Amino acid sequence: AQSVAQPEDQVNVAEGNPLTVKCTYSVSGNPYLFWYVQYPNRGLQFLLKYITGDNLVKGSYGFEAEFNKSQTSFHLKKPSALVSDSALYFCAVRDLYNFNKFYFGSGTKLNVKP
Amino acid sequence: EAQVTQNPRYLITVTGKKLTVTCSQNMNHEYMSWYRQDPGLGLRQIYYSMNVEVTDKGDVPEGYKVSRKEKRNFPLILESPSPNQTSLYFCASSPSGRRSTDTQYFGPGTRLTVL
Repeated sequence: AQSVAQPEDQVNVAEGNPLTVKCTYSVSGNPYLFWYVQYPNRGLQFLLKYITGDNLVKGSYGFEAEFNKSQTSFHLKKPSALVSDSALYFCAVRDLYNFNKFYFGSGTKLNVKP
Repeated sequence: EAQVTQNPRYLITVTGKKLTVTCSQNMNHEYMSWYRQDPGLGLRQIYYSMNVEVTDKGDVPEGYKVSRKEKRNFPLILESPSPNQTSLYFCASSPSGRRSTDTQYFGPGTRLTVL
């Protein structure tokens, strides 16, 4: 079975500091990984994806994610957090054998304090 | 504006009263999907559709039905809602379900409460 896990329910960071939101995956093969962000009372918005190629993926709003095959991780990062980055973040993986199916993590709430 | 719309946005109903949540996209996408979001569980896929008249079960299809008679619409039907279907529901679409690179576009969500 394929899955992703987000080990932290909540991450707190001060504005201007770097942030990391963690995601680990369990996939038998090369994964297709995604990060989405959900602002209050809104649907999910796509941030970035890893399909193949460079391990460092750059996405929207200054976010990037590092794919690490040996650690089976795909952590979301940003060098300098903004208060407006406060939101719920979801990691997701696409089923390798059925592209129509997706598996999401439980979500991590990011709080950026001024 | 390219978007996925859902109606209603909020719904309170009673056990056993049939309801439909509509989903529509204006991007000519082939693929559409329904998810439910519950605290601590993230999003779980209910049903998806690869194209008109082609649908299949996700991970949590019990108690739900879907249909895809037109490309733009993908309604979610609860024939006999129960309190355990109280949740936040999202519809999503993407150009195709066949390409690994396709990303999904999500609707604004429907908050359903079943009493």
